[in-house]
Amino acid sequence: QSALTQPASVSGSPGQSITISCTGTSSDVGGYNSVSWYQHHPGKAPKFMIYDVSKRPSGVSNRFSGSKSGNTASLTISGLQAEDEADYYCSSYTSSNTWVFGGGTKLTVL
Amino acid sequence: QVQLVESGGGVVQPGGSLRLSCAASGFTFSNYGMHWVRQAPGKGLEWVTFIRNDGSNKYYADSVKGRFTISRDNSKNTLYLQMNSLRVEDTAVYYCAKGWSDYYSDQWGQGTLVTVSS
Repeated sequence: QSALTQPASVSGSPGQSITISCTGTSSDVGGYNSVSWYQHHPGKAPKFMIYDVSKRPSGVSNRFSGSKSGNTASLTISGLQAEDEADYYCSSYTSSNTWVFGGGTKLTVL
Repeated sequence: QVQLVESGGGVVQPGGSLRLSCAASGFTFSNYGMHWVRQAPGKGLEWVTFIRNDGSNKYYADSVKGRFTISRDNSKNTLYLQMNSLRVEDTAVYYCAKGWSDYYSDQWGQGTLVTVSS
C-alpha cells in the first residue's frame, strides 16, 4: 500500500493554469477509474473535488478538471485564484479492496 | 446539511488504547459506508479503514490491521474506531468521512487529534 506519487509543490500566478500529477500502478490508478481529488485547507475538512477521474461533484467550479493516462492521473486548475491555494490529494481504490492517497501537493498562488 | 463530528481524541501512552466516535447527522447514516482517514503532523492523508453501510464488510490499511477495529451503530448514527496497541507513529488527526458511490468520501468531519507519547 505505497502512497501515490505527487509533486510536493506547484505554483502559479492568478489567472494561469497548473497541473498536478498523481502516479500509481496498475493495481490502483491504472487499473480503475475510481480516482478522486481532494482540496485541503489546513485546519479544515478536506473537500471532494473530482471523482471517476474527471467528474465534478455538484458545486465544484468547472475550473477544476481531471484526466488519466495509464498509471498517472492529473488535476488541472485553470484561471488560478487566491482561494485555490491549498493542499491537493489524489486518491484511488485498489485491487486489495483498500484506498490509497497521494503524498499531497502544496499549491501556492503567487 | 451533513455533519460529522469526531470525538475521543487525546494523549495516550504507547501500547495504550483509545476509542474514537463520529456522530453523523443530516443524512440517512445506515445507507452509506464510512471511512476513517488520518493525517500525521506535517504529513499527507492516509486512508485507515472502511465499513459498509450495514457493517457486513470492513477493510483496513496494513499499518493498522490487527490493532484497529472499525464499527458502527446505525441506531445511534455513530461510527467508531477502536485503537489498540497504539504506537508513536499513530499520532495524527483522525477524520471520519462519509462514503459515496462505493469508492469515494464526499463529506468529512473536522477531525480529532490523537497523540501517542510517553
